Amino acid sequence: EDQVTQSPEALRLQEGESSSLNCSYTVSGLRGLFWYRQDPGKGPEFLFTLYSAGEEKEKERLKATLTKKESFLHITAPKPEDSATYLCAVQVSGTGNQFYFGTGTSLTVIP
Amino acid sequence: SAVISQKPSRDICQRGTSLTIQCQVDSQVTMMFWYRQQPGQSLTLIATANQGSEATYESGFVIDKFPISRPNLTFSTLTVSNMSPEDSSIYLCSVAVWKETQYFGPGTRLLVL
Repeated sequence: EDQVTQSPEALRLQEGESSSLNCSYTVSGLRGLFWYRQDPGKGPEFLFTLYSAGEEKEKERLKATLTKKESFLHITAPKPEDSATYLCAVQVSGTGNQFYFGTGTSLTVIP
Repeated sequence: SAVISQKPSRDICQRGTSLTIQCQVDSQVTMMFWYRQQPGQSLTLIATANQGSEATYESGFVIDKFPISRPNLTFSTLTVSNMSPEDSSIYLCSVAVWKETQYFGPGTRLLVL
């Protein structure tokens, strides 16, 4: 069965304290892995798409990496405005455009 | 990317009634989807809205409960029928644009009393 697991569930960081969020997946065939940011009361905001192991994408303080079993979202020197829930989703080969979402990591950055 | 709007943004409804949620996109898109996000949980796909044909529902979701329309390539509606408190959730519309990335609308917060 296809599965997506995110860890930790919640993370509290001091401003400037770098860390990583994890997304582990077990799927029959990965078509793409997606990272989203979701603020309270809003829809998910697209961040990155990764397609193959070894691929990396960067945007400001965020960097996403992909291996054959997991993806990491690295946050360098976070600021309070980076506080949000970060969602990982995978698209599986042969399922059209269906996404399987993880349960997310709630990040709080303390000034 | 695509700009997606949803109406209403929130509503409070009585059990047994129905609510129709609208999703409007600023450009023509091939794929449109409806998701549910229950409190404290992640997103669950309800169905794929197909233009010109019946929606494709995921396991656990049926057309009688969640009828969907998609009259053209920029608009879709989701109706939550015969509501109960368990239907209280955020309902999200998404579209697949370039290279299959999905973009989401702002969501509709529904509370059923």
